[in-house]
Amino acid sequence: GAVVSQHPSWVICKSGTSVKIECRSLDFQATTMFWYRQFPKQSLMLMATSNEGSKATYEQGVEKDKFLINHASLTLSTLTVTSAHPEDSSFYICSANVDRGSGGNQPQHFGDGTRLSIL
Amino acid sequence: QKEVEQDPGPLSVPEGAIVSLNCTYSNSAFQYFMWYRQYSRKGPELLMYTYSSGNKEDGRFTAQVDKSSKYISLFIRDSQPSDSATYLCAMLPYYGNNRLAFGKGNQVVVIP
Repeated sequence: GAVVSQHPSWVICKSGTSVKIECRSLDFQATTMFWYRQFPKQSLMLMATSNEGSKATYEQGVEKDKFLINHASLTLSTLTVTSAHPEDSSFYICSANVDRGSGGNQPQHFGDGTRLSIL
Repeated sequence: QKEVEQDPGPLSVPEGAIVSLNCTYSNSAFQYFMWYRQYSRKGPELLMYTYSSGNKEDGRFTAQVDKSSKYISLFIRDSQPSDSATYLCAMLPYYGNNRLAFGKGNQVVVIP
């Protein structure tokens, strides 16, 4: 159980293109999903917290107009990298935790990541 | 002081050896203690998690939490080449801040 699916797994596109990445919780509902960025041989860096039905909360230094997040349902969050440039090339990973209804936190389950390469 | 400290040094062991990994932390509010395994070019996989103090065993894997010392460990017995991966510790309080606090990760290589 607690499977998170991320699509696409790898995308290569030209500079200036906008790229959308989908994150789905397959067998559970997730009010909250998280988007991370990971550089080679480094740990994960939280970019934003995505909340179903409301605006995402961005971490300091993350441009909200550059990285658009939409969490339209309890099983889907999307990250759109707008007007992508080579410096946006990275490994993007989403995660979600199972809503238990108790109000407490739960361990996060991660998707398999999206490798974004901007030429 | 970082909230979670994990010595990021790589670890190479022969097949069959015991792998021992650990993290220390400073935030006494942490109640969930997780170990993630990340293979190259993949997302982290939740390997084990423990709520509060104690030990948890799952096959060849044992997680230990000592809240009095703010110290957690992961042991891998009879290590296999397929265990070669990066292992990340992560922590959460039960209520409130739902951002995972990560260690830097340990790259483990099990040599056949």
